[in-house]
Amino acid sequence: GAVVSQHPSWVICKSGTSVKIECRSLDFQATTMFWYRQFPKQSLMLMATSNEGSKATYEQGVEKDKFLINHASLTLSTLTVTSAHPEDSSFYICSARGGGDEKLFFGSGTQLSVL
Amino acid sequence: AQTVTQSQPEMSVQEAETVTLSCTYDTSESDYYLFWYKQPPSRQMILVIRQEAYKQQNATENRFSVNFQKAAKSFSLKISDSQLGDAAMYFCAYRRGGTSYGKLTFGQGTILTVHP
Repeated sequence: GAVVSQHPSWVICKSGTSVKIECRSLDFQATTMFWYRQFPKQSLMLMATSNEGSKATYEQGVEKDKFLINHASLTLSTLTVTSAHPEDSSFYICSARGGGDEKLFFGSGTQLSVL
Repeated sequence: AQTVTQSQPEMSVQEAETVTLSCTYDTSESDYYLFWYKQPPSRQMILVIRQEAYKQQNATENRFSVNFQKAAKSFSLKISDSQLGDAAMYFCAYRRGGTSYGKLTFGQGTILTVHP
């Protein structure tokens, strides 16, 4: 089956630094990728939709200058949390859609802890 | 806007028994998909079952089946012969139809505990 690789699986950083999370589709071309955020024991909240070669579409309330999304190729989307603060600590999950299929495939997630 | 509601924060079941998780949704669309996802402690999202709104027949995947009531906008998940490995957080999710859309709207989740 299709595989989406997300890296890193966890990261700890100091407040004020930036962190980049990668989401790769390993065996299919992902025309669209989605970035979600999940707090402990809560639901997944969509942050933004990323289309290859174009600007990401952010959900209401998500700061586009803080959460920079780049989808430069059909197999890679990145989420950069800029000037991270403790309140940005969360579990971030990507999903990818592509291959002419209606199915979505999820990455394994990234736990971000900001000290 | 579409909303998905799971009214059961937690459920428990004895091993080998059957449990039903509830989900209701609200939409004005006619073309959509509904899903149940499982999130075990590893936090990897796993697709359990999916239902196309235009299909009247309830989807079934081995021990997992749904009761899709389109008019009532209800989409419950039944797990038969529960196993310890079924313990996880379960999310009901909605997605608009059409090839240009793929984003999911998730419910709040239900934590399922399976007792041996």
